[in-house]
Amino acid sequence: DTGVSQDPRHKITKRGQNVTFRCDPISEHNRLYWYRQTLGQGPEFLTYFQNEAQLEKSRLLSDRFSAERPKGSFSTLEIQRTEQGDSAMYLCASSLGTGGGYTFGSGTRLTVV
Amino acid sequence: GQSLEQPSEVTAVEGAIVQINCTYQTSGFYGLSWYQQHDGGAPTFLSYNGLDGLEETGRFSSFLSRSDSYGYLLLQELQMKDSASYFCAVRDGARNAGNMLTFGGGTRLMVKP
Repeated sequence: DTGVSQDPRHKITKRGQNVTFRCDPISEHNRLYWYRQTLGQGPEFLTYFQNEAQLEKSRLLSDRFSAERPKGSFSTLEIQRTEQGDSAMYLCASSLGTGGGYTFGSGTRLTVV
Repeated sequence: GQSLEQPSEVTAVEGAIVQINCTYQTSGFYGLSWYQQHDGGAPTFLSYNGLDGLEETGRFSSFLSRSDSYGYLLLQELQMKDSASYFCAVRDGARNAGNMLTFGGGTRLMVKP
């Protein structure tokens, strides 16, 4: 296993369009997280899955954002009706246990024009 | 809620020692982690402190004082490749035991020859 994979690496979309990102975590990791990062800031929590169950969603996340993790393997993050403020790096991470160590993917950089 | 404070920027010379401080305010606390992120790259896990004291991993050490809500990352024998952003993060174990992390704004370390 080569780590956490995210696809695509870059996405440019027009305002109002829908976009979907994919994350493939480390296979034995049961916990999967989505974070968003803007330039010069730390990653901001979006949502968390344990296996296939979405257990936590940030209160800052609008209803335009939805995430799934069918069968507890890969996950998708969809943003509907994108806005310019959605432009950011979307990071996926996975972990096993509670030792504080996430493995992050390289992220998907979204640009909304 | 959680908040973390760390310096925005630190500069040091190659071969020197640098300390990056982090103070936090949390409603629940289950450990302090440190991550390194090079420009354009993914955050990578460096260390985790669940209990008070010093953890050493090669040239990097991390310290935690829970009574002072304070920790630091110590980098020794600095190398040019250590130029990166460093993030402290706290784990909120109260949130569905999910190991969600709240990140600080990051400290940009510049190592000069």
